[in-house]
Amino acid sequence: AQSVTQLDSQVPVFEEAPVELRCNYSSSVSVYLFWYVQYPNQGLQLLLKYLSGSTLVKGINGFEAEFNKSQTSFHLRKPSVHISDTAEYFCAVESTSGSRLTFGEGTQLTVNP
Amino acid sequence: EAGVAQSPRYKIIEKRQSVAFWCNPISGHATLYWYQQILGQGPKLLIQFQNNGVVDDSQLPKDRFSAERLKGVDSTLKIQPAKLEDSAVYLCASSLGPSGSGSSYEQYFGPGTRLTVT
Repeated sequence: AQSVTQLDSQVPVFEEAPVELRCNYSSSVSVYLFWYVQYPNQGLQLLLKYLSGSTLVKGINGFEAEFNKSQTSFHLRKPSVHISDTAEYFCAVESTSGSRLTFGEGTQLTVNP
Repeated sequence: EAGVAQSPRYKIIEKRQSVAFWCNPISGHATLYWYQQILGQGPKLLIQFQNNGVVDDSQLPKDRFSAERLKGVDSTLKIQPAKLEDSAVYLCASSLGPSGSGSSYEQYFGPGTRLTVT
């Protein structure tokens, strides 16, 4: 079984500042890793995913994440955030052999002017 | 391309009543998922269908929850009778196929149905 821990439940930042949302996972097998974003009253939208290859993954809206196998982490970063990035962000994991998608508890990113 | 459609968007019922949610996945998507998202938590998979067959329902409270996907397209999720702890957002998602054997298919989520049980 897999599990995901998002280390910060809330992250407030000012507009144009850099941000990092932290995610650690636990698994005894190889995994795929994902970041989803959820805007208020909407479903989840995929930001980026790591399947294999380069450990630095670039996604939509200027976000990127780095897979670190030794630290079992998949932190999400953006060099300069906008007000419109205010949303809930979820890290998720599934095994490469096809287990269910397991989500973390979420991190609320609030970008202030 | 139309996205995943869900209805209703909001529902308020009293405990011990029954309720049903409907989902229409993206055309051509063989795999359909129902998730429960309790306030302040990440989504939790309730049931996964491959066409009209159940792949994973290990986290579905089968004494009160049921789901079906007739003809392998639309799906309904039912709760009978509802409890206070069932208050949550119920998300439907679909993908071209199931993940596994070295492949991963992106899941596309609908807007969800917010259920309040009073």
